[in-house]
Amino acid sequence: DVKVTQSSRYLVKRTGEKVFLECVQDMDHENMFWYRQDPGLGLRLIYFSYDVKMKEKGDIPEGYSVSREKKERFSLILESASTNQTSMYLCASSPQYQAEKLFFGSGTQLSVL
Amino acid sequence: ELKVEQNPLFLSMQEGKNYTIYCNYSTTSDRLYWYRQDPGKSLESLFVLLSNGAVKQEGRLMASLDTKARLSTLHITAAVHDLSATYFCAVGRPTNKLIFGTGTLLAVQP
Repeated sequence: DVKVTQSSRYLVKRTGEKVFLECVQDMDHENMFWYRQDPGLGLRLIYFSYDVKMKEKGDIPEGYSVSREKKERFSLILESASTNQTSMYLCASSPQYQAEKLFFGSGTQLSVL
Repeated sequence: ELKVEQNPLFLSMQEGKNYTIYCNYSTTSDRLYWYRQDPGKSLESLFVLLSNGAVKQEGRLMASLDTKARLSTLHITAAVHDLSATYFCAVGRPTNKLIFGTGTLLAVQP
């Protein structure tokens, strides 16, 4: 059974903290994505990566960075967390030539106090 | 800029009734995806529509795509409680990164 695993289901952090959200996939996919999900706004793309050490900005990259040192792992970094970054974060992966065939993780609900 | 709108945002319906969720998008695309999300769970792919006039059906759900009208519909026939979930449409962009709609929270009441 293919899997995208996000390391934490719930996280509570304080304003100004540096936050790491981790995502691991076991499908040998080239593409990996980070979305945030907010009520009434749907899913919005933060960053994506199409190869190790490669990354591109999505639609709402401000306040975030990413790291992809290994093919199976894609990390989202909040350098200095703010309350407006309280959200559900979803990781997804897809094969190289089927970039839109997304497989999602279960999500991390981040609360920034 | 591609925008995707879903209507309604929230739908409460009785078991046995029929209803339709609408997904409108603002620029040309011939690739439309429907996903389902159960509370606390991941998004699961329901349908992939890749051409004008495409129609896919599974169980009580049927999805269609009209690329000329930039509209996709998800029709629910004789709803049952198990269909309660949030449904998202997503549209393909030239960059191959999907843009998602706002989601429709469906609650099927006994």
